[in-house]
Amino acid sequence: DAGVTQSPTHLIKTRGQQVTLRCSPKSGHDTVSWYQQALGQGPQFIFQYYEEEERQRGNFPDRFSGHQFPNYSSELNVNALLLGDSALYLCACSVGGGAVGKQYFGPGTRLTVT
Amino acid sequence: RKEVEQDPGPFNVPEGATVAFNCTYSNSASQSFFWYRQDCRKEPKLLMSVYSSGNEDGRFTAQLNRASQYISLLIRDSKLSDSATYLCVVNRDYGGSQGNLIFGKGTKLSVKP
Repeated sequence: DAGVTQSPTHLIKTRGQQVTLRCSPKSGHDTVSWYQQALGQGPQFIFQYYEEEERQRGNFPDRFSGHQFPNYSSELNVNALLLGDSALYLCACSVGGGAVGKQYFGPGTRLTVT
Repeated sequence: RKEVEQDPGPFNVPEGATVAFNCTYSNSASQSFFWYRQDCRKEPKLLMSVYSSGNEDGRFTAQLNRASQYISLLIRDSKLSDSATYLCVVNRDYGGSQGNLIFGKGTKLSVKP
């Protein structure tokens, strides 16, 4: 059983550009959450998708948007990139729309904005 | 004030030492509590859940004090492989459905030979 996979592993973009990050959850895990982890900080919740809908959202601007596909995979889109968007972006999967700690994290995508 | 606050660290200890991490949370409505471990440039991994009765997993013991809104992690007989960042994590309950995970900044542990 493959674990959580994310692509790409690393990405370099310039300010103002747009980026799309991808996540494939573990088999049978239907809920995907996205987190942003800046250097030296803990992960911060961006949003969570379940049944192809955004169910919860953290304190992130509308420049951050997402999507979930019928196969449970998910995308995170960030528009109009800022230098401060440089971070490790983690997706985490769980089961059943909840997040009771049993979240399995992918290896992350390291985004650098120059 | 951050919702989850941890000892700033870093903790540098010799092998075999006992080390304790502390964490406080500000939202009294928090429902679930965890310790995650994160190795350098890797993803966080669940170390253990934390219960009011306290729980132990081998060399690791976690405690929760709801009245004081305080969580702790004790590592006994520390190993070189315990070197990592330890993240205190709290789960809020939004309107009946389990919410997102709230992470502390993490405390870095370095175990030396």
